[in-house]
Amino acid sequence: GAGVSQSPSNKVTEKGKDVELRCDPISGHTALYWYRQSLGQGLEFLIYFQGNSAPDKSGLPSDRFSAERTGGSVSTLTIQRTQQEDSAVYLCASSPALGMGRAYFGPGTRLTVT
Amino acid sequence: DAKTTQPPSMDCAEGRAANLPCNHSTISGNEYVYWYRQIHSQGPQYIIHGLKNNETNEMASLIITEDRKSSTLILPHATLRDTAVYYCIVSIRANDMRFGAGTRLTVKP
Repeated sequence: GAGVSQSPSNKVTEKGKDVELRCDPISGHTALYWYRQSLGQGLEFLIYFQGNSAPDKSGLPSDRFSAERTGGSVSTLTIQRTQQEDSAVYLCASSPALGMGRAYFGPGTRLTVT
Repeated sequence: DAKTTQPPSMDCAEGRAANLPCNHSTISGNEYVYWYRQIHSQGPQYIIHGLKNNETNEMASLIITEDRKSSTLILPHATLRDTAVYYCIVSIRANDMRFGAGTRLTVKP
């Protein structure tokens, strides 16, 4: 089976516009995670899903950020009214369960806000 | 708040073993030690994890001290393609993994 896929691979948008980033986890993986990595920085945890629910949204940087997951599969990270500081690589990962186990990362979406 | 301490950078000669240390002195009894690496412009890649015992797989070996306060990732025969940032993470579960700055390993010919 395929690994975690993300789309688009690159996104350039103007400041103030909304963007949607998509993550397709590995089939059957119930847990899904979003991270952000700014240029030259480490990974910043944003949010995770167990099934379709996100128990903890405190990692989202601001209320302009939201995420949803439908059907226990695809997840969308939405950034409203983008700002230049939102420019980063957004990484998605999935794992078979929320318990112990390794996570499989996608290639990321590079977002550039001009 | 990654709960681990790693040297910011290390060099290793190609073909030699790379030994990457990690301190996790506040690790709790049910937390696992995970190692990931990130090669430039790619998503992180899982390497290995363990709880108490030493672990080995096709990529690396993980040595955890008896008191579990530190560990070492060993790449037995480093190649140029092993040049990457290596992250040591302690966590109970995959959803709670917080990545620190990691160690930038440079394998030199």
